Amino acid sequence: RKEVEQDPGPFNVPEGATVAFNCTYSNSASQSFFWYRQDCRKEPKLLMSVYSSGNEDGRFTAQLNRASQYISLLIRDSKLSDSATYLCVVNIGLASGTYKYIFGTGTRLKVLA
Amino acid sequence: DAGVIQSPRHEVTEMGQEVTLRCKPISGHNSLFWYRQTMMRGLELLIYFNNNVPIDDSGMPEDRFSAKMPNASFSTLKIQPSEPRDSAVYFCASSPPGTGDYGYTFGSGTRLTVV
Repeated sequence: RKEVEQDPGPFNVPEGATVAFNCTYSNSASQSFFWYRQDCRKEPKLLMSVYSSGNEDGRFTAQLNRASQYISLLIRDSKLSDSATYLCVVNIGLASGTYKYIFGTGTRLKVLA
Repeated sequence: DAGVIQSPRHEVTEMGQEVTLRCKPISGHNSLFWYRQTMMRGLELLIYFNNNVPIDDSGMPEDRFSAKMPNASFSTLKIQPSEPRDSAVYFCASSPPGTGDYGYTFGSGTRLTVV
């Protein structure tokens, strides 16, 4: 089983639609979580952190369910410019006192005019 | 801040040649990561440095790959000899001191093609 799993999509949605992505992780010791966005032929960029209480940034809402070990990203009123690949990221603490991030393979979103 | 700077942006080389990729992390960041991205395998962590010391190199594919971080502002990833299956985008990322709760910043990547 992969450490971080995402539905690869693609999700094709019309402009203005609401779309949600889920991501599951296997390591219960995971300590922090993120969503990254990656445009075609570009580097991944941090979209938002995911807090236990859930957090919202404009049209984007992220939630964490530790009991079920999944995180979600909700995009409301989707725009053409939201078309990208969304990467789920899990931060795992290591015995050495350091950490490492595990990236999912990403969910591709295409918003259609 | 100039962000994470990688060079070259593109590299085309012949099989068997040595390739060196370079990275300058954000000033003040003490963790540096090298990733490789392909369509088939997504983003794979190759090696991770903390305070210039390699912490986890379990993702380095084989002995043909080596990485160094001689100081806090510079790292290299070397492939010798290169093979066509090494063709990928190689990203460098850095993060500030802490427990990793603030996310990484990625460089623009080096697109490597080995023919």
